Amino acid sequence: EIVLTQSPATLSLSPGERATLSCRASQSITNLLAWFQQKPGQPPRLLFYDASHRAPGIPARFSGSGSGTDFTLTIISVEPDDFAVYYCQQRYAWRTFGQGTKLEIK
Amino acid sequence: QITLRESGPTLVKPTQTLTLTCTFSGFALTSEVGVGWVRQPPGKALEWLALVYGDDEKRYSPSLKSRLFITKDTPKNQVVLTMTNMDPVDTSRYYCVHSGYLYWGQGTLVTVSS
Repeated sequence: EIVLTQSPATLSLSPGERATLSCRASQSITNLLAWFQQKPGQPPRLLFYDASHRAPGIPARFSGSGSGTDFTLTIISVEPDDFAVYYCQQRYAWRTFGQGTKLEIK
Repeated sequence: QITLRESGPTLVKPTQTLTLTCTFSGFALTSEVGVGWVRQPPGKALEWLALVYGDDEKRYSPSLKSRLFITKDTPKNQVVLTMTNMDPVDTSRYYCVHSGYLYWGQGTLVTVSS
């Protein structure tokens, strides 16, 4: 099973700051990685697929990058609506999620 | 407009079998478009369970494969997940999801307790 390790577990930032979230795979998954945002009481929302392809309606302040085993989700200037839990997910071998990164208000 | 909606019991007893139904609209299952199930224990991470495509290809979580069965009813636009031998650790919100990940149901909370 491919294990995805997300870091940090919690990221405390103020609005306007830059957020950098990491996802590392236990083996190469080429670019077959997606990012999701989840808010309390809601299903996950797709942000990116295939590492860097932005899903419809996702603001340009979000970007996804990486390939192989190391991937990054960046929010260039965090807005109040962005505070949530973020998950990465691979589809190279079945599908597995990372354990999540909680982006919280500092 | 694409929608998915989960239905099924909210409470099951240990050792019982859980059956959940996903009723979807706005798209058709094909060899490249499927519907799957993801669960999330309260306060914990997401976990993929199973996926079925229109050509009846089925994929399962390797760790849960022996307990899962997924099937589709094309005329009814439904996908049904069966999970056997339920245990309290299976208490989760169960989501059905379009294989492209854009569309999710709201999820249904299933509690396993005697």
